[in-house]
Amino acid sequence: QVQLQESGPGLVKPSETLSLTCTVSGGSVSSGSYYWSWIRQPPGKGLEWIGYIYYSGSTNYNPSLKSRVTISVDTSKNQFSLKLSSVTAADTAVYYCAREQITMVRGVIVYYFDYWGQGTLVTVSS
Amino acid sequence: SSELTQDPAVSVALGQTVRITCQGDSLRSYYASWYQQKPGQAPVLVIYGKNNRPSGIPDRFSGSSSGNTASLTITGAQAEDEADYYCNSRDSSGNHLRYVFGTGTKVTVL
Repeated sequence: QVQLQESGPGLVKPSETLSLTCTVSGGSVSSGSYYWSWIRQPPGKGLEWIGYIYYSGSTNYNPSLKSRVTISVDTSKNQFSLKLSSVTAADTAVYYCAREQITMVRGVIVYYFDYWGQGTLVTVSS
Repeated sequence: SSELTQDPAVSVALGQTVRITCQGDSLRSYYASWYQQKPGQAPVLVIYGKNNRPSGIPDRFSGSSSGNTASLTITGAQAEDEADYYCNSRDSSGNHLRYVFGTGTKVTVL
């Protein structure tokens, strides 16, 4: 059974950099079948995709966050990480890591997030 | 760029059927996936592709799609189905690939 676990500081000061790590167990970030994403959810609000990374290091970010986001992968530790710079109170959210499956179903390519971490609340406050 | 719009809230009597819709231009190109989220928990995948359920998801959950609208139907809703539901799809408009979540629908089982 694949499991993902987020870790990192729960409190970050405004203007500083938020850093989180997702540790994957029961599966490998080096598998070419998956992309590894970060998704966040401000308190009481909806979900927002932040970006993903492929095991090769190829990344894709949400245009609304692209200038502040860096996602990296460490295959030796079976982890991937998120850095979000110049944070403000608007970045306060539960941050989830998730595995994205891309597969062919009856001749059609489909995309979905099949495994999620439990989420970690990051509060931006001085 | 495309957004995905859902009704904010719906209610359904125990054992009855409820349909949740998701509208957006990206759905003309990509199938939606659907996620159930209960308070304080991570989202759980319930439907992907045209109408596929992951292992462990009851068959009362089904999906469909037409044009720019995707739907999630719960046939014979149970008390444990009370939750927030989000749709999601890829969006390649604006020459940039990204993923978009719907605005979410709160389902209340009466």
